[in-house]
Amino acid sequence: GEDVEQSLFLSVREGDSSVINCTYTDSSSTYLYWYKQEPGAGLQLLTYIFSNMDMKQDQRLTVLLNKKDKHLSLRIADTQTGDSAIYFCAEIPGEASNTGKLIFGQGTTLQVKP
Amino acid sequence: SAVISQKPSRDICQRGTSLTIQCQVDSQVTMMFWYRQQPGQSLTLIATANQGSEATYESGFVIDKFPISRPNLTFSTLTVSNMSPEDSSIYLCSVEPEGVYYGYTFGSGTRLTVV
Repeated sequence: GEDVEQSLFLSVREGDSSVINCTYTDSSSTYLYWYKQEPGAGLQLLTYIFSNMDMKQDQRLTVLLNKKDKHLSLRIADTQTGDSAIYFCAEIPGEASNTGKLIFGQGTTLQVKP
Repeated sequence: SAVISQKPSRDICQRGTSLTIQCQVDSQVTMMFWYRQQPGQSLTLIATANQGSEATYESGFVIDKFPISRPNLTFSTLTVSNMSPEDSSIYLCSVEPEGVYYGYTFGSGTRLTVV
């Protein structure tokens, strides 16, 4: 079935690294995404990774994909107070690859303490 | 990536009434999507809207409750009909990736409160 799981809450100190984890169940997923939602705002696409990649780096963001364990992580280096938000991972299941149906995790609330 | 304008950004409505949410895209897109985010929850796809055809609804969502229009390749509306407090949610539209950009872009959302 389609299921994406995330831990609900993470608290870090400003300047530390944050690692947000996500597990998914569909091994045929082709694309996996990380979105950020700030309070009262819509969803901002942070980054995405193809299923044939193991890692993708984009400035302070590093995405790691372990296909064997169906595990996706987002590392934010030098976390700032402006990074405080809810982070959602999302997948497109293999059978829905032409439909655009995104399956979202529950979201991880990142709290950055000064 | 496409730029999406969604309105209204928020509204407070009386139960039993209907609200129409608009989504305008700055480029032509084939597929548009409507999601619901209930308070403290994740996002759930309501339906997919393609121009020139009936919207395709996900399990648990019906056309009578959430009628959708897609008159052209840059615009769509979602109506929440006969509202009840359980319809209080954030509603977001999204569009498919275009060109070599593989990300699904979302509008800023409509925060609906039904009283």
